Amino acid sequence: AQSVTQLDSHVSVSEGTPVLLRCNYSSSYSPSLFWYVQHPNKGLQLLLKYTSAATLVKGINGFEAEFKKSETSFHLTKPSAHMSDAAEYFCVVSEGNAGNMLTFGGGTRLMVKP
Amino acid sequence: EPEVTQTPSHQVTQMGQEVILRCVPISNHLYFYWYRQILGQKVEFLVSFYNNEISEKSEIFDDQFSVERPDGSNFTLKIRSTKLEDSAMYFCASSEVIGRGYTFGSGTRLTVV
Repeated sequence: AQSVTQLDSHVSVSEGTPVLLRCNYSSSYSPSLFWYVQHPNKGLQLLLKYTSAATLVKGINGFEAEFKKSETSFHLTKPSAHMSDAAEYFCVVSEGNAGNMLTFGGGTRLMVKP
Repeated sequence: EPEVTQTPSHQVTQMGQEVILRCVPISNHLYFYWYRQILGQKVEFLVSFYNNEISEKSEIFDDQFSVERPDGSNFTLKIRSTKLEDSAMYFCASSEVIGRGYTFGSGTRLTVV
């Protein structure tokens, strides 16, 4: 069975400082991992995905994530936060042998202070 | 950029009524999904649909739920007799192939009163 734990429900950073959103996963098979972002009253937008290629994945808006199998982690980072990054972020896992079902983490709300 | 379109954006219904949530997936996508997010809780998988049949469903997706692709473009979720606990944001998604990442719609906020 697959599961995802997002270690922080809320993260607050100042504009221009680095962002780190933490995610650990559990999977019986080789997983695909994703980060989605949800701005208020908007849908879920794919930020980036890992599907067994390069372990360092670059996404949109300057975000990137590193797949670390030994640590079962897939943390999301950005060197410099922007006010527009304030949103809810979801770490998501999909197991190849579980068909195509996505399992979501609980979400991390990122707040960016001016 | 292609989008998944969901209608309506908000729906209020009385308990016991039937509701149909509508979705137009991306035209060349083959896999379709419904997820829901009860306020303050995780996004949960409901059902996946491929080749005109359900390929996987969760425990949540009981007999009061059904999905249909009535024509070449729409993908619907029907809740036969709504309960208060069905109040949630319902997301439709589609994908071209498995594992590549999904495109989600903006969601339908269903409120059962």
